[in-house]
Amino acid sequence: QVQLVQSGAEVKKPGASVKVSCKASGYTFTRYYIHWVRQAPGQGPEWMGLINPGSGGTTYAQKFQGRISMTKDTSTSTVYMELRSLRSEDTALYFCARNFDDFDIWGQGTMVTVSS
Amino acid sequence: QTVVTQEPSLTVSPGGTVTLTCSSSSRAVTSGSSPNWFQQKPGQAPRALIYSGTKKHSWTPARFSGSLLGGKAALTVSGVQPEDEADYYCVLYYGGAQFWVFGGGTTLTVL
Repeated sequence: QVQLVQSGAEVKKPGASVKVSCKASGYTFTRYYIHWVRQAPGQGPEWMGLINPGSGGTTYAQKFQGRISMTKDTSTSTVYMELRSLRSEDTALYFCARNFDDFDIWGQGTMVTVSS
Repeated sequence: QTVVTQEPSLTVSPGGTVTLTCSSSSRAVTSGSSPNWFQQKPGQAPRALIYSGTKKHSWTPARFSGSLLGGKAALTVSGVQPEDEADYYCVLYYGGAQFWVFGGGTTLTVL
């Protein structure tokens, strides 16, 4: 069964960093890009960037340039998204999604709460 | 800054037909924009409905269809069912800079 399973909820203080994982199973890990999308409470989704698990190449939304990193571990079919210098506005549900032009499979979401 | 615009809300009667649209502030939406449409219900992850503007996933109900109309992407629901009440989002691809932008979403009410 094709699925993406994300790590659990996180609570962080302003200025800290968070690293969310997304473990893929049921398909060839390197064949599909993984995108990260976040959704603040009551808001629509926001595209953050993508990683090519085959090459490790990344593209980030301009808004997050300089404080986001996406990495992959091919041995465990897992991708990671790290967001640094967290602020309260980063409180959101973070999703990973598989894409071969179709965003067909999504992770269950990871709630990240930034609060002092 | 590129903005993708959707109708904030629409209301349709059960059994009726409704069309949601998705437009870009910077250029006409074409097949190259790779429009995707998602349905989202409270507490759930978005569920993919349409990709490449017109293609359906294996789980997409037949009453949902995607098209390109007058420089916009469109999602039409024919024979609306009560369970179609949800938020709908589109996302567009901007190939030059290789980024994606989500629309603000349309809340569809079935009444």
